[in-house]
Amino acid sequence: ILNVEQSPQSLHVQEGDSTNFTCSFPSSNFYALHWYRWETAKSPEALFVMTLNGDEKKKGRISATLNTKEGYSYLYIKGSQPEDSATYLCAFSATGGFKTIFGAGTRLFVKA
Amino acid sequence: EPEVTQTPSHQVTQMGQEVILRCVPISNHLYFYWYRQILGQKVEFLVSFYNNEISEKSEIFDDQFSVERPDGSNFTLKIRSTKLEDSAMYFCASSEALWGVGQPQHFGDGTRLSIL
Repeated sequence: ILNVEQSPQSLHVQEGDSTNFTCSFPSSNFYALHWYRWETAKSPEALFVMTLNGDEKKKGRISATLNTKEGYSYLYIKGSQPEDSATYLCAFSATGGFKTIFGAGTRLFVKA
Repeated sequence: EPEVTQTPSHQVTQMGQEVILRCVPISNHLYFYWYRQILGQKVEFLVSFYNNEISEKSEIFDDQFSVERPDGSNFTLKIRSTKLEDSAMYFCASSEALWGVGQPQHFGDGTRLSIL
């Protein structure tokens, strides 16, 4: 059974703090790792899709790294702002299929 | 920016009734997905659809469920004979053709389905 784990479950930080979360996924049959940002009452918004071991992606203050051999990805937020408050989901896709397996998410609260 | 739209936003149905959830994917996208999230649980994959046929379905997607793209724009999820445990938020998503699940998926706002 494919399983994706995210940690921590929730995180409270002060405005200006930098933070990071972890996503663990199966290291075999890897095809793609997705990160989504999900604000309350909105739809999940795609941040990154990573497909190659060692990939690093950046979008403004948010960046992500990927290690497919050991099965983990980190999402970093530099200088957190209150508007970064959201749930951050990662999702794994294996080769040869169309299924995307989601983790439970990390809920980030940024206090002004 | 183009977006995925889902209707209705909330559907209340009696147990045993049929329900159809509707989605309009982004117009140039060719991969379509349905997911659900039961309250307090993870987002779960239900089905993917490409080239007018199901490309993969999960164990959840049994004979009670069906999908259809009836007119080239709408993408529907039908649940026959609904059960209490079908109560969930249902999300539709679409992505561009190239690389399939290696593309970011664009999600609708979801339909909250409540079975009484």
